[in-house]
Amino acid sequence: QVRLVQSGPEVKRPGASMKLSCKASGYNFIAYYIHWVRQAPGRGLEWMGWINPKSGGTHYAEKFQGRLILTGDTSITTGYMQLNGLMFDDTAVYFCAREAMGPTTSGSDYWGQGTLVTVSS
Amino acid sequence: SYELTQPPSVSVSPGQTARVTCSGDALPDQFAYWYQQKPGQAPVLLIYKDNERPSGIPERFSGSSSGTTVTLTISGVQAEDEGDYYCQSADSTGSYRVFGGGTKLTVL
Repeated sequence: QVRLVQSGPEVKRPGASMKLSCKASGYNFIAYYIHWVRQAPGRGLEWMGWINPKSGGTHYAEKFQGRLILTGDTSITTGYMQLNGLMFDDTAVYFCAREAMGPTTSGSDYWGQGTLVTVSS
Repeated sequence: SYELTQPPSVSVSPGQTARVTCSGDALPDQFAYWYQQKPGQAPVLLIYKDNERPSGIPERFSGSSSGTTVTLTISGVQAEDEGDYYCQSADSTGSYRVFGGGTKLTVL
């Protein structure tokens, strides 16, 4: 079955970097985008960016340009999200989700369980 | 930056019909998607491409589109439908995604 399993919770200091992982299984990894979405405590969903694991191509939301890096390792079917220059308001649950590429897309039909990241001094 | 606008809250009694709207300038040109989220859980896809329902999603959930507004309709609302609902779409280029602010559905 399709699964997206994310890495465990993290506590970071302001100014630090974090790199989260999203291990995919049960489907053709290179046929689906990996999106990253975050949700601050008590707030709504915020789209951060996506990566095409086959080409390595990426698109980032404007507010994360310059400090967000999405990568993928097709050999181990895992996506990674690196966020640099962490600030207190980066405290959030971070989700990965897959989306089929091309006209057959049906939205983000599978999601990871989420990773809680706390930025604290 | 592109924005999608949803009402913060909608309240309905069990068995009634709930409608959640989502407005955005690019919606005539870009598909909309709807997600349900319950506390402590990942979002669940309810509707894709404006009005298509994934397998396993109850028929009481439906989507429609008219101009710059898309609507999620929940017919015969049940207590278990309580939660937060988010629309998602893309900007005019199709490359950048955005979520609406979310609508909290309360079943009275």
